Amino acid sequence: AQTVTQSQPEMSVQEAETVTLSCTYDTSENNYYLFWYKQPPSRQMILVIRQEAYKQQNATENRFSVNFQKAAKSFSLKISDSQLGDTAMYFCAFMKSNTGNQFYFGTGTSLTVIP
Amino acid sequence: EAGVVQSPRYKIIEKKQPVAFWCNPISGHNTLYWYRQNLGQGPELLIRYENEEAVDDSQLPKDRFSAERLKGVDSTLKIQPAELGDSAVYLCASSFRGTGPYEQYFGPGTRLTVT
Repeated sequence: AQTVTQSQPEMSVQEAETVTLSCTYDTSENNYYLFWYKQPPSRQMILVIRQEAYKQQNATENRFSVNFQKAAKSFSLKISDSQLGDTAMYFCAFMKSNTGNQFYFGTGTSLTVIP
Repeated sequence: EAGVVQSPRYKIIEKKQPVAFWCNPISGHNTLYWYRQNLGQGPELLIRYENEEAVDDSQLPKDRFSAERLKGVDSTLKIQPAELGDSAVYLCASSFRGTGPYEQYFGPGTRLTVT
């Protein structure tokens, strides 16, 4: 079974600073996908960034980037120049490439950006 | 493009009463998911549909929960009878099962309170 662990239940960061959220996962698969989702207080989850395991290059999306360490099974999210709108729950998710899109979510990290 | 639509957004019922949730996925998305999200936790899959076929319902408490996806579009999740422990947010998501990138798009959820 796949498990996704987010060891930081809560984090805070000063506005304009950088913060890193950690995620580790356990799998015996070689091909899979990893995602970070953001869930603001309105509760609609939106995709932040995705990473295909076969790609060595770390994904980036504007202020968001990941540090994907396949051997260590680690997938951390770095948020640069934090903004107040980044305050949300962040969920790491894992998907095997041949399971018809079944996701496994971590328990989430609550991020607060302090003005 | 319209996102995933869910209704109602909030529902308060007494225990032992029935309740139903409705989901309209993004047009063209053939995969539909129902998740339950308890407070402070990540989403947990209840059931996944590929078109109108339920392909993964192993986590659905079948003694009281039922779901359907007629014509492979809209879906309804029902609980009968509801128990206190069913209080949670019920999320619907959809995705297109093609060649990737497989991310799921989430609706705003239905917050159920059972008293």
